[in-house]
Amino acid sequence: EPEVTQTPSHQVTQMGQEVILHCVPISNHLYFYWYRQILGQKVEFLVSFYNNEISEKSEIFDDQFSVERPDGSNFTLKIRSTKLEDSAMYFCARKPSGANVLTFGAGSRLTVL
Amino acid sequence: AQSVTQLDSQVPVFEEAPVELRCNYSSSVSVYLFWYVQYPNQGLQLLLKYLSGSTLVESINGFEAEFNKSQTSFHLRKPSVHISDTAEYFCAVSEGGAQKLVFGQGTRLTINP
Repeated sequence: EPEVTQTPSHQVTQMGQEVILHCVPISNHLYFYWYRQILGQKVEFLVSFYNNEISEKSEIFDDQFSVERPDGSNFTLKIRSTKLEDSAMYFCARKPSGANVLTFGAGSRLTVL
Repeated sequence: AQSVTQLDSQVPVFEEAPVELRCNYSSSVSVYLFWYVQYPNQGLQLLLKYLSGSTLVESINGFEAEFNKSQTSFHLRKPSVHISDTAEYFCAVSEGGAQKLVFGQGTRLTINP
């Protein structure tokens, strides 16, 4: 059983639509992260989340983005009004407290038309 | 601020040949260093890591990397590659105590028979 499960694996949406990407890390009391990888570019940090609040975010993570953990297990990334440039692979990751290694999910590919 | 540079975007080699994927980082404090591998259509998997101790670290599939503090490098090597090593390889760094990873641009390793 994978440690980090992401859904959907691929989503196609129209520009301006809202998108929610889901991540289910197995354990609790962890750090959670969202990263993205635009095709052909590097993997970029978006946001980290600990103890039910954002601990750090990048300048990419503007007001169009939000994260939450509504039910204690599901960790979501919401993009309020998608733009063409939001097309990317979005990776969720987890890290146990006190550890130094991130475990990544398989990613969710978002295509904005 | 920390940054990671992978000088080679693509490295083609023949099967059973040796390979070196280069990674240099910049940081003003102590760092943890990682190599992640992304096989086609899959997520990011940890290949090996340097946290402390011996500067030479090895993976279970024959890769090794050496932390060189004076040259701020963490090059990845394998003495004899296999077709199954075809993947994208990402070097990443986190500053001691920091909770996020910063990735390099990635190096696509292509193995020719």
